[in-house]
Amino acid sequence: DTEVTQTPKHLVMGMTNKKSLKCEQHMGHRAMYWYKQKAKKPPELMFVYSYEKLSINESVPSRFSPECPNSSLLNLHLHALQPEDSALYLCASSQGGRGGSTDTQYFGPGTRLTVL
Amino acid sequence: TQLLEQSPQFLSIQEGENLTVYCNSSSVFSSLQWYRQEPGEGPVLLVTVVTGGEVKKLKRLTFQFGDARKDSSLHITAAQPGDTGLYLCAGTPSGTYKYIFGTGTRLKVLA
Repeated sequence: DTEVTQTPKHLVMGMTNKKSLKCEQHMGHRAMYWYKQKAKKPPELMFVYSYEKLSINESVPSRFSPECPNSSLLNLHLHALQPEDSALYLCASSQGGRGGSTDTQYFGPGTRLTVL
Repeated sequence: TQLLEQSPQFLSIQEGENLTVYCNSSSVFSSLQWYRQEPGEGPVLLVTVVTGGEVKKLKRLTFQFGDARKDSSLHITAAQPGDTGLYLCAGTPSGTYKYIFGTGTRLKVLA
């Protein structure tokens, strides 16, 4: 099973709303990632969790707040977003998360976020 | 800044034609991955190449990892409309822990 699931598939929110994106994997992977992808561009890394601890924050604004409740789950809490935050948000996981030949990442289907 | 440059950026071809996509870097990679992504969906892993000079075949797709592990190519034989999508190479440059994506190649195969 190489499946990463994400919910919801689509989300529309206003600039004053609070919402959360969810990601789940049951491959026993110890690293999980959030990416943001704008149309026709490659994914851009936002956060990396390694062994349930935040290891990389790519200078993401505080209106995005990640959380890793356990090794299988990853959340992204959203608050006071801007219209320019509208994008496809992708979750991924990898076996080790520290580079090397185990760094192949498996992606979820993404959440299409629209901020009005 | 470590970069993975892909070429071409865009490619529109007729069904049945062959094509090659290139992924180049000045950095050494312990492994490289190739993904295909369709609009509104997550990238789907196609292959991982690990050994310099390695060639892997996946049906009509042939992947090659350069001898120096700084570049890779993807060759598609007899392209089909179902091959349409964004092709991305990705990997972690040796000596770093950051997974980076190539600039992407957008392929359109016309029936």
